Amino acid sequence: QVQLQESGPGLVKPSQTLSLTCTVSGGSISSGDYYWSWIRQPPGKGLEWIGYIYYSGSTYYNPSLKSRVTISVDTSKNQFSLKLSSVTAADTAVYYCARGGDYYDSSGYYPYYFDYWGQGTLVTVSS
Amino acid sequence: EIVLTQSPGTLSLSPGERATLSCRASQSVSSSYLAWYQQKPGQAPRLLIYGASSRATGIPDRFSGSGSGTDFTLTISRLEPEDFAVYYCQQGGTFGPGTKVDIK
Repeated sequence: QVQLQESGPGLVKPSQTLSLTCTVSGGSISSGDYYWSWIRQPPGKGLEWIGYIYYSGSTYYNPSLKSRVTISVDTSKNQFSLKLSSVTAADTAVYYCARGGDYYDSSGYYPYYFDYWGQGTLVTVSS
Repeated sequence: EIVLTQSPGTLSLSPGERATLSCRASQSVSSSYLAWYQQKPGQAPRLLIYGASSRATGIPDRFSGSGSGTDFTLTISRLEPEDFAVYYCQQGGTFGPGTKVDIK
């Protein structure tokens, strides 16, 4: 059974960089069968996909966040990470890591589904 | 960019009733890539349906998905107490705003 666990600071100051790590157990990121994603949910609101990464390091980001997001992978630790720069109060959310599949069409690669999720971690942006 | 609209916003039903949730896309999408999720308070979403109509592992057969083009439907044939939750559709990098199914 695949399990994902987010970790990182729960409080980040405005203009700083939010950094989170997702540790995967029960399966290998390097298997290559899936991609590894970050998704967030502001309190009381809906879900927003942030981006995903393959074990090879290929990344695909939500265009609305692309300029501020970096997702990286460490296959030796079976982890992947999120960095979101220049945060504001609008970035306050529960951040989830998830596993999923993707698909390709003429416009590029996109997430298909998310089948395993971490429990989520609340990150508050406040001074 | 595709926009997903879900209706109704809230659905008030009793246990044992049938729930019909709608997800409409702003442009035609490949039904192969439409998914549905269930989320309960304080929990991560759970994948129910992928490919518009395929149930995910362990999902009871009272959950079914259908549709194509721009109109998709999630049906819960007989609501169980544990089914009262928020349901989201997803296509590509876009999620719908959700439908809350609550107890009447």
